[in-house]
Amino acid sequence: QQQVKQSPQSLIVQKGGIPIINCAYENTAFDYFPWYQQFPGKGPALLIAIRPDVSEKKEGRFTISFNKSAKQFSLHIMDSQPGDSATYFCAASPINQGGKLIFGQGTELSVKP
Amino acid sequence: GAVVSQHPSRVICKSGTSVKIECRSLDFQATTMFWYRQFPKKSLMLMATSNEGSKATYEQGVEKDKFLINHASLTLSTLTVTSAHPEDSSFYICSARENGYTFGSGTRLTVV
Repeated sequence: QQQVKQSPQSLIVQKGGIPIINCAYENTAFDYFPWYQQFPGKGPALLIAIRPDVSEKKEGRFTISFNKSAKQFSLHIMDSQPGDSATYFCAASPINQGGKLIFGQGTELSVKP
Repeated sequence: GAVVSQHPSRVICKSGTSVKIECRSLDFQATTMFWYRQFPKKSLMLMATSNEGSKATYEQGVEKDKFLINHASLTLSTLTVTSAHPEDSSFYICSARENGYTFGSGTRLTVV
């Protein structure tokens, strides 16, 4: 069964803190790992994505760390702001399966002023 | 950047009726689109992969006769929820792939 496990389920940090959200995959080869941000009642918006030949990628305040041998990847949000309060989803695209995405369970982030 | 437009954003229908949701790629051609369902405070569950000019590929457990998908052009895929029931109430989201995956804004379906 294809699975992407995400933790924690919820996270509260103070403004300026660095929330870290973790994901792990198993049993299937994946070749694309995006992170999405979703606000209530809206569709997910792409934050940053990485491919398995890279161990780290930074875009603005968002960083993905990727550990291929451990089958784990994580999202770090630098200098978090109250406007970052949202639900974050990791995802992974299985190789040779038509480009679909398998999503993690989601993390509800709250950044306190 | 790539834009995916989804309509309607909200729909309320009576039990037993059918509802059509549209997903359009506005500035690119999408041979493949994806339909997801999301329950409150839950993750996105892939329902089906919509392929232009051919039959959709449904995920295990998704009733293809209940959720009809049509992808008649390179910019439009539709999801029709047939004979809707209250348990079909959910947030439906489409996506298309263009240098990554772009999602529509979702459709909140309420069946009363």
